[in-house]
This record gives sequence, C-alpha cells and structure tokens, in this order.
Amino acid sequence: EVQLLESGGGLVQPGGSLRLSCAASGFTFSSFAMSWVRQAPGKGLEWVSLITGGADGTYYADSVKGRFIISRDNSQNTLYVQMNSLRAEDTAVYYCAKGSGYNSVWYPNWGQGTLVTVSS
Amino acid sequence: DIQMTQSPSSLSASVGDRVTITCRASQGINYWLAWYQQKPEKAPKSLIYAASSLQSGVPSRFSGSGSGTDFTLTISSLQPEDFATYYCQQYNTYPYTFGQGTKLEIK
Repeated sequence: EVQLLESGGGLVQPGGSLRLSCAASGFTFSSFAMSWVRQAPGKGLEWVSLITGGADGTYYADSVKGRFIISRDNSQNTLYVQMNSLRAEDTAVYYCAKGSGYNSVWYPNWGQGTLVTVSS
Repeated sequence: DIQMTQSPSSLSASVGDRVTITCRASQGINYWLAWYQQKPEKAPKSLIYAASSLQSGVPSRFSGSGSGTDFTLTISSLQPEDFATYYCQQYNTYPYTFGQGTKLEIK
C-alpha cells in the first residue's frame, strides 16, 4: 500500500524559510516522479513543483520559482521542498503527491497534507 | 502557462441525477487530463486519467471524455457520497495546472 506522510509544516514569519518532508513507502520510490501541490484556506488546488524519479528534472510553478527548491533522497525514500522568502500568500496545506510514472504524470496517490502558515 | 477553466463553478443536484462538469484548456493538451474529487478537510482522490481512463477502484458511474481543449466529467447517477468538489488537471505541459474547481452540492 502506498503511504505518503508529510511533515515540517508550521508557523513562519514573512521572509522566513521552512523545509517540508514527505516520507514515502509501499512502492519503488526512485521510479516515480513526485510533486508538491498546495491549497490555500478555502481555495482550490495549486500545482507547485515536480521532480522526476531520478532527480534529473525539476519543474516549478511561476509563483514559487526562484524561492522553492524541490529535492529527493532516493536512498531514504523521502521528498523535500525547501521554501525560502516565504510570503503570506504561501499559506496553505501542502500535499505530497506520487506521480503515475517517471516524468509526465497525473497523481494517483496523495498524502494527508501539512499546514504552512506565513504570518507575523 | 496553460489555463484550465471549469464550468460551472458550483452545481446543485439531487441523488440519482446525471451531472456533467466541463473543463476547457487555453491550448491543446491532447488527452493529458486528469480529474480529482476532494471532500472537505481531505486529500484529493484521483478519478480519471488520460481524459477517459477510470482509476482503479472508482465506480463506473464516473466517466470522462474529450481531447484537445474540451473535456467533460460525467456522473451518471449521483450518490450521496459524490457530493464534493471536483478538479481537472492538465499534465501535457509544465507547469502543470488545475482548474478552479466545481463544487457539487445537494439540492
């Protein structure tokens, strides 16, 4: 059974940094692209970033490009996102999502999410 | 970026009704479209991929169609557990994008 468990959310001040983690199990982690998708309170889903299975490709939404860095440790079956220069509009539940394949993907599996609040 | 526009934004319907939600892409995406269902305070659940392929375990009352720029999600006979918010997502071109969502409510 695929399991995705996010951690690292919390309250951070504007301009601050935070790193989220997603521990994965139940599948061959390195064979699948992974993504972060977020949802601001009361709003819709927003795709944030994707990293290919072998970490040879990374892609970002315009809203986070240059501020967020997605990475993965295939030896530890863990996905990360380093979030820098955080803004109030980054406040959201951040979901880790497993892709359907190595690169171009839809998302058959999702974690339960971790809340990031950017506020002074 | 490719914009995904869903219609309607909200919809009231009754148990047993047939419901159709539309998703339009601002440029062609072949059939690289997925549909998700989300209930309050829960993670999204995948329903359809490649525009018309049913995800394993999803009831057959859900179906998808379309290609290019125009897509539909149809629920043939609404059940009480189907009242939720539905999202389309294109995965043809980075950055991937979601529609704004369609909230399906009980009439």
